[in-house]
Amino acid sequence: KAGVTQTPRYLIKTRGQQVTLSCSPISGHRSVSWYQQTPGQGLQFLFEYFSETQRNKGNFPGRFSGRQFSNSRSEMNVSTLELGDSALYLCASSFADPGETQYFGPGTRLLVL
Amino acid sequence: AQSVTQLGSHVSVSEGALVLLRCNYSSSVPPYLFWYVQYPNQGLQLLLKYTSAATLVKGINGFEAEFKKSETSFHLTKPSAHMSDAAEYFCAVTDTGFQKLVFGTGTRLLVSP
Repeated sequence: KAGVTQTPRYLIKTRGQQVTLSCSPISGHRSVSWYQQTPGQGLQFLFEYFSETQRNKGNFPGRFSGRQFSNSRSEMNVSTLELGDSALYLCASSFADPGETQYFGPGTRLLVL
Repeated sequence: AQSVTQLGSHVSVSEGALVLLRCNYSSSVPPYLFWYVQYPNQGLQLLLKYTSAATLVKGINGFEAEFKKSETSFHLTKPSAHMSDAAEYFCAVTDTGFQKLVFGTGTRLLVSP
């Protein structure tokens, strides 16, 4: 079974731009979660989508948004990029219930200049 | 809200020595607990998961963890370290009722020959 895939793997943007990251979950998984990983803040939860609805949201500004499609694929968007948005963005997929194991993709490394 | 504490940002062992990585969680109700490993430039890989079925949980690559409710701990151990175990290890807990992982700050395991 194919794992979680994320595209692109690497991205360089400049301040003020916007970016869209994509995540394809494991087949059969309907929950997709996004996490931001930085050296300073560690791994932080961004949001979770299930059945095309945002089910849970972390403590991030409104510049961070996401969506999920009917095939469970998900995208996250960051508008008006700031230098501090440079991070590894990880997507994880799982079955629906709380506590189900989340399986992570390789991440998208975003560098904001 | 749940929280996780990992003592020691770096742990150094010799090849063949015991590995002990510490994790304490904050909760009065046993949550779902996880250990993940991250190799350089990769996503997170699940090592093991506690689900209340057994207090001693065996994972991949010879790792295991023991859940101790009285100590709110879930330490990760491996009897004999291998060079390939060098990586960063994260303890995580699910926030009650949500499909959201709360991570510890991570412990980097260094293995010397």
